[in-house]
Amino acid sequence: GNSVTQMEGPVTLSEEAFLTINCTYTATGYPSLFWYVQYPGEGLQLLLKATKADDKGSNKGFEATYRKETTSFHLEKGSVQVSDSAVYFCARNFGNEKLTFGTGTRLTIIP
Amino acid sequence: DVKVTQSSRYLVKRTGEKVFLECVQDMDHENMFWYRQDPGLGLRLIYFSYDVKMKEKGDIPEGYSVSREKKERFSLILESASTNQTSMYLCASSPPGARYEQYFGPGTRLTVT
Repeated sequence: GNSVTQMEGPVTLSEEAFLTINCTYTATGYPSLFWYVQYPGEGLQLLLKATKADDKGSNKGFEATYRKETTSFHLEKGSVQVSDSAVYFCARNFGNEKLTFGTGTRLTIIP
Repeated sequence: DVKVTQSSRYLVKRTGEKVFLECVQDMDHENMFWYRQDPGLGLRLIYFSYDVKMKEKGDIPEGYSVSREKKERFSLILESASTNQTSMYLCASSPPGARYEQYFGPGTRLTVT
């Protein structure tokens, strides 16, 4: 079926390190892809999105590129900060289907 | 800014009790959703609604019901709470034309003992 698989956590990095959180999807067509972020004690927030192949979503220094050939939407940031500590969720939808979320990746940044 | 509020941050109930979780959004969104969040399982959709008095089952509706009498309010009801319904419950809403760009409330952590 249609699903999202993302990198197992938790991930711990030092401040200013480079971040990659992997996400791959399965789909019969071309879904829209999303990254949501959940900061401690808060609900999820949409971080970025891409709606077609080769689109790059970006926000707050984070980027993700919709790669049709590898069915991937990996989240990257060049230099992480302590304030980026959160749980990150990859998600997809296709047509009128519901949003399907990955299991989440907990990221901790240490000073 | 869109604000989605949930009636309680923490709730403790006994097995067999009827539980109401309330969600209110202030941006006139048509679409509202209830999810539960469990470690290792991510978010799973319980019910959703695209209009007043309309509801549709999500992936795990068993043991739950919902009510949407007003556009801004979407209630989740546990008819007879059980211990396997101990979880974090998240409400979300989204505007027309951007159904999948959802705004989430802070969540209610429900413990059923």
